[in-house]
Amino acid sequence: ETGVTQSPTHLIKTRGQQVTLRCSSQSGHNTVSWYQQALGQGPQFIFQYYREEENGRGNFPPRFSGLQFPNYSSELNVNALELDDSALYLCASSSSGDRNTIYFGEGSWLTVV
Amino acid sequence: GENVEQHPSTLSVQEGDSAVIKCTYSDSASNYFPWYKQELGKRPQLIIDIRSNVGEKKDQRIAVTLNKTAKHFSLHITETQPEDSAVYFCAADYTGGFKTIFGAGTRLFVKA
Repeated sequence: ETGVTQSPTHLIKTRGQQVTLRCSSQSGHNTVSWYQQALGQGPQFIFQYYREEENGRGNFPPRFSGLQFPNYSSELNVNALELDDSALYLCASSSSGDRNTIYFGEGSWLTVV
Repeated sequence: GENVEQHPSTLSVQEGDSAVIKCTYSDSASNYFPWYKQELGKRPQLIIDIRSNVGEKKDQRIAVTLNKTAKHFSLHITETQPEDSAVYFCAADYTGGFKTIFGAGTRLFVKA
């Protein structure tokens, strides 16, 4: 059984640029959630994808968008990057049979300069 | 809106002592309460969880209690060890797995 994997692990972008982060869900999991974790804070819910559709959204602007693919993998896209977008972006997967229990990937560290 | 408050923000204990972290949640519809441990530079890892139909759950040295009336839940770690040092997050699940809301975290230091 493979866990949640994310790429890239670290990246640096310039303010105003766009970034795409990728996530492969744990084997058997069809639901993917994305979280932003700023330094010293708890993870903040961005959105969740189920059956290739956005299934819920947190308090993030539209420049945060996502996709889920038929194999349940997912992408997080952020446009017009701002300095405050610098954070650890965590992907978490869960199964439709137990959507409460989420398992995190190692995350992607994004630095915006 | 939905909110999870966590206290204390920092906790320092002597090895062998107990540690208690407390959380409150705002939405009475919440029915699932996980706890995560996050070591420096690592992913949050689920260590224990409790559902709203249970008042207490124990797994070796860790236990969680839930008071639905007061909307409080707590993590108890007994016989603490240096490897327990990490940041611990409580969370509450709103709308059935749709959105998990996390507390701000408690940084636990266990002194040898």
